Amino acid sequence: DGGITQSPKYLFRKEGQNVTLSCEQNLNHDAMYWYRQDPGQGLRLIYYSQIVNDFQKGDIAEGYSVSREKKESFPLTVTSAQKNPTAFYLCASQNTGELFFGEGSRLTVL
Amino acid sequence: AQSVTQLGSHVSVSEGALVLLRCNYSSSVPPYLFWYVQYPNQGLQLLLKYTSAATLVKGINGFEAEFKKSETSFHLTKPSAHMSDAAEYFCAVLGGSNYKLTFGKGTLLTVNP
Repeated sequence: DGGITQSPKYLFRKEGQNVTLSCEQNLNHDAMYWYRQDPGQGLRLIYYSQIVNDFQKGDIAEGYSVSREKKESFPLTVTSAQKNPTAFYLCASQNTGELFFGEGSRLTVL
Repeated sequence: AQSVTQLGSHVSVSEGALVLLRCNYSSSVPPYLFWYVQYPNQGLQLLLKYTSAATLVKGINGFEAEFKKSETSFHLTKPSAHMSDAAEYFCAVLGGSNYKLTFGKGTLLTVNP
């Protein structure tokens, strides 16, 4: 079954700790995206990558980092510099404009 | 640059009633337009998309949307709401060469029995 797999689905961390969210796809798509979702604010773009070994900042990249060493994988690290990291994080890949989303990861910082 | 405005952050309808969720966009180039649905604690699922072919687009679960260039609108409708339609709906626009979608803030649809 082709799709986007995000893990973990739920994650709890203490303030000051870095956290890495996994995103894997087997759709053979070149472009991948990370969005952050907060209630009433829609989806905000964190980072995106249109090809392996290249990525671009989105609208709210501060406090986040990514890597794209393989076509299938686009992990997101939420660093301790992110002031308000508690949110729902969505990964997606893109084909002919359409986005295909994973099931999301909910991060709660205690 | 493109933008999306969804009118009404919360829409409530009775089961069997018409569903109308509004979306207006701005784009400097002919846009591609999308509607996505999100159920609680899940990712987004594509309902339908407009890619410059027919202006009336039919999607899954009985939803459809009409692209109206003169009104810069892409409203989502369903003739008869079902309880299972309760979810959050997002309109998105793709314009230009950067392949980034811009999303509206979403409309939460509640269906009352």
